[in-house]
Amino acid sequence: SQTIHQWPATLVQPVGSPLSLECTVEGTSNPNLYWYRQAAGRGLQLLFYSVGIGQISSEVPQNLSASRPQDRQFILSSKKLLLSDSGFYLCAWSIAGGVGNTIYFGEGSWLTVV
Amino acid sequence: QKEVEQNSGPLSVPEGAIASLNCTYSDRGSQSFFWYRQYSGKSPELIMSIYSNGDKEDGRFTAQLNKASQYVSLLIRDSQPSDSATYLCAVEAGKSTFGDGTTLTVKP
Repeated sequence: SQTIHQWPATLVQPVGSPLSLECTVEGTSNPNLYWYRQAAGRGLQLLFYSVGIGQISSEVPQNLSASRPQDRQFILSSKKLLLSDSGFYLCAWSIAGGVGNTIYFGEGSWLTVV
Repeated sequence: QKEVEQNSGPLSVPEGAIASLNCTYSDRGSQSFFWYRQYSGKSPELIMSIYSNGDKEDGRFTAQLNKASQYVSLLIRDSQPSDSATYLCAVEAGKSTFGDGTTLTVKP
């Protein structure tokens, strides 16, 4: 069966510091991968999605970036964090291609920028 | 207009009652519809998916889809306190778009 792991689970970072969140998927090949952000009490905002190694689509302009160095690895980064970057970050995957593909979420990472 | 709209709630029902959660969407080309449950501080987990007009039942949960009216709903029968959570509706038309969620509280 497929599993998705995301880390770290929580982190507190000062403004201006870098960020790296990592996610790996097991049990499937060539998945679609996603990074979402959820602000407190709000819905899910799609930040990035990837259909293959090195292929990243950005949904919203921001100071975050994503990379997919391996088929089942997805990384969210920032060079300098802003206070507004605080939130709940979720990595997710779905089967590639077609429609009706369910999105499955990792455990999430709570980021507090202070 | 948001692509996927849900009443934010909170929706409060007594234990044992039926909870009804609604979602409307704007893209008539949408083909797939999902309900997720999200407990406070946790990631969303899939409850049900529905692709065709009509009802789909899974245990105490029933999803209803009406493409002509562009709405999808989730009924929870015999609601339990453990059902207290935020319920997210997701609609796929090439990629998934999520509503902001409806918070449900089931009171013992």
